[in-house]
Amino acid sequence: SQKIEQNSEALNIQEGKTATLTCNYTNYSPAYLQWYRQDPGRGPVFLLLIRENEKEKRKERLKVTFDTTLKQSLFHITASQPADSATYLCGGNAGNMLTFGGGTRLMVKP
Amino acid sequence: NAGVTQTPKFQVLKTGQSMTLQCAQDMNHEYMSWYRQDPGMGLRLIHYSVGAGITDQGEVPNGYNVSRSTTEDFPLRLLSAAPSQTSVYFCASNPGVANYGYTFGSGTRLTVV
Repeated sequence: SQKIEQNSEALNIQEGKTATLTCNYTNYSPAYLQWYRQDPGRGPVFLLLIRENEKEKRKERLKVTFDTTLKQSLFHITASQPADSATYLCGGNAGNMLTFGGGTRLMVKP
Repeated sequence: NAGVTQTPKFQVLKTGQSMTLQCAQDMNHEYMSWYRQDPGMGLRLIHYSVGAGITDQGEVPNGYNVSRSTTEDFPLRLLSAAPSQTSVYFCASNPGVANYGYTFGSGTRLTVV
């Protein structure tokens, strides 16, 4: 069955460094991937969307890549700040359905 | 704009009881979806709709019913609650247009005892 996987282990980095989160998909080819931020007790908030024919997309300190050969998307946060600490979710479409990976928790230490 | 509004925010049910989780959006979005989120897990799609009168099953539809009589509302019904349905439920909407992400509600925390 189609699946999206994210590293379930928390990612701990130092303030000012670049955080890189990974999203892998198997058994299907999503036309686009979406990244969301979720804070404890809150609903996810949309950050970026990238299409399969786009290699890279940027928004302020955020960058997303889409590699259809590796079946992978990378999500980068440059110059990370403690306020970036949250869980980040990757979602991929299958027709009209949007399914998600398990999320990766990012902790940015001052 | 209120965005996506979910009610109630918290609910405790006894096994076998029924209830409806409400979801309303005021953005004229065509697409609406229901997800559940369990501890340490991501979002799992329960049901979704691409427009009024159209619904379809997601990854984990068993035990849940939905209907979409208007563009604005997409209620989720639990006919006979089970402890396995203890979870946080999120409703989300999307305009159904390319390059738009989903807008999520703040969630309903449901406990079935």
